[in-house]
Amino acid sequence: QVQLQESGPGLVKPSETLSLTCAVSGYSISSGYYWGWIRQPPGKGLEWIGSIFHIGSPYYNPSLKSRVTISVDTSKNQFSLKLRSVTAADTAVYYCARGPKSTRYFDYWGQGTLVTVSS
Amino acid sequence: QSALTQPASVSGSPGQSITISCTGTSSDVGDYNYVSWYQQHPGKAPKLMIYDVSNRPSGVSNRFSGSKSGNTASLTISGLQAEDEADYYCSSYTSSITLVFGGGTKLTVL
Repeated sequence: QVQLQESGPGLVKPSETLSLTCAVSGYSISSGYYWGWIRQPPGKGLEWIGSIFHIGSPYYNPSLKSRVTISVDTSKNQFSLKLRSVTAADTAVYYCARGPKSTRYFDYWGQGTLVTVSS
Repeated sequence: QSALTQPASVSGSPGQSITISCTGTSSDVGDYNYVSWYQQHPGKAPKLMIYDVSNRPSGVSNRFSGSKSGNTASLTISGLQAEDEADYYCSSYTSSITLVFGGGTKLTVL
């Protein structure tokens, strides 16, 4: 059974960097598939942040591309998200997920973690 | 990239069928058969219900079906049940190798 679990600070100050990690169990990241991040501001819809293959370049949402970095650590079977220069608009539940086919869809999701941007 | 367009809400009675539309452009929905649908109950993570326009993942009820015509995709739920009450989101692969979501539709079972 594939499981994903997000972890990281629940509170980040404005202008700082949001850092989250997604630990994957039940599947080896190095075996393939894409790995992505999606966020959902409170009371609003889903927004794709970006996806990465276990090897190769990541793909990012154009609206966030200048501030986002997604990376994979196959030795720890996890992948990470860094979002720089955050503002209150980046307050959201952040989900990590597995994508079997490029950026087409996600079949397994983490439970999500709320990150609040506030001083 | 602009979000796909979904109705804000739909409703139906138990046993009825409902359809949720998802309208994009020729750069996403219209150009690829890579539309997916997600169900999200309050406080829960989204669940994949349909992928690649009309395919159901293992374990998803056959009451859920998907289709596409031109720039608009649709999700149909037949034999509506109380447990179907949730938010539904469509998404589409785009020509820029990105993913775009719809704004979401709240389904109310009367």
